[in-house]
Amino acid sequence: AQRVTQPEKLLSVFKGAPVELKCNYSYSGSPELFWYVQYSRQRLQLLLRHISRESIKGFTADLNKGETSFHLKKPFAQEEDSAMYYCALNGAQGGSEKLVFGKGTKLTVNP
Amino acid sequence: EPEVTQTPSHQVTQMGQEVILRCVPISNHLYFYWYRQILGQKVEFLVSFYNNEISEKSEIFDDQFSVERPDGSNFTLKIRSTKLEDSAMYFCASSLDRVLCEQYFGPGTRLTVT
Repeated sequence: AQRVTQPEKLLSVFKGAPVELKCNYSYSGSPELFWYVQYSRQRLQLLLRHISRESIKGFTADLNKGETSFHLKKPFAQEEDSAMYYCALNGAQGGSEKLVFGKGTKLTVNP
Repeated sequence: EPEVTQTPSHQVTQMGQEVILRCVPISNHLYFYWYRQILGQKVEFLVSFYNNEISEKSEIFDDQFSVERPDGSNFTLKIRSTKLEDSAMYFCASSLDRVLCEQYFGPGTRLTVT
């Protein structure tokens, strides 16, 4: 079974502070992992994917297969980072096309 | 930049009625998806569609649901006889390819069943 767990429903930090949004997954094969973001009144959009190993808007995420985690990090949070963040998994190796989402973490960055 | 569009933004219907939710995927995309999010819960996969047929569906996608690409641009989700528990935000998405490709989401249709 494919499952994504985001243990924090809400996360609040001050501007300039580091932020880490946690994501753990359960999947028997090699997953493809993504972070999607939804800013207020906007659509879900891809923030980054593990296979690209890129940094977007200062965010990075490293896939840790030993801990089955894909935590999202940013060293210095900005107010415009306030949004809903969703971790998602795709079991593409198993031929699946679907994204399996976590429940999401609402990040608030306070001035 | 091209975007996925969905209409209507909000649909209110009575239990037992049929509803059709409409989506226009990005024009050169080949894979199409419907997801839903019940208030306070996860975004859940419903169905994927490729080459004019369903390629994958979840257990939620029962006989009450159907999808269609009637004219080469629209992609529709039909719920034949709505139930109260069908109230949710329904998201359409499309992607250029299946594997490792970004799924682009529409803004969603909020369906309220009374």
